[in-house]
Amino acid sequence: KQEVTQIPAALSVPEGENLVLNCSFTDSAIYNLQWFRQDPGKGLTSLLLIQSSQREQTSGRLNASLDKSSGRSTLYIAASQPGDSATYLCAVHPAAGNKLTFGGGTRVLVKP
Amino acid sequence: DAGVIQSPRHEVTEMGQEVTLRCKPISGHDYLFWYRQTMMRGLELLIYFNNNVPIDDSGMPEDRFSAKMPNASFSTLKIQPSEPRDSAVYFCASTKSSGRLNEQFFGPGTRLTVL
Repeated sequence: KQEVTQIPAALSVPEGENLVLNCSFTDSAIYNLQWFRQDPGKGLTSLLLIQSSQREQTSGRLNASLDKSSGRSTLYIAASQPGDSATYLCAVHPAAGNKLTFGGGTRVLVKP
Repeated sequence: DAGVIQSPRHEVTEMGQEVTLRCKPISGHDYLFWYRQTMMRGLELLIYFNNNVPIDDSGMPEDRFSAKMPNASFSTLKIQPSEPRDSAVYFCASTKSSGRLNEQFFGPGTRLTVL
């Protein structure tokens, strides 16, 4: 059974610092991995989707890397801003089937 | 595109009452998912449909929960009778199998409180 872990559960950084968010998964038989952002009381917004064959994916200040063999993904957010404060979740799509398995999320606070 | 639409956004009900949550997926998407989010258990998949047919309902917690998708643009999740432990945020998501690697798009959620 796939298990997805995100450590730390919470993170606080001063504005301008780069953010590094970690996601680990136990079963490397994945189709893709998706990073989401969730603001308090809101739904999930897809940030980046990285294929199992890819090593990284970039969108603006966001960069996601994937090391499938070691079961890890990292989301980098450059030059953090207070508006980046949110909970970030990673979700793994299995190689077979369509059931995403989510990590518990990392709650980020960027202090001005 | 309006995105995934869910209603109501908030629901407060008393134990034993029937609750119906509604979802309209993104037009053209052929997969629809129902999730539940709680502090204790995080995000859990309850059930998903492909072309209006339920594919996997192994996440549905009990027989009190049921889901239907009568057509491609509408789905319901019903809880009857509701219990306080059903209090959670329920999300609906959709994706297109021919789209970008099954990227899922989520609705804003329904916050359910059962007293």
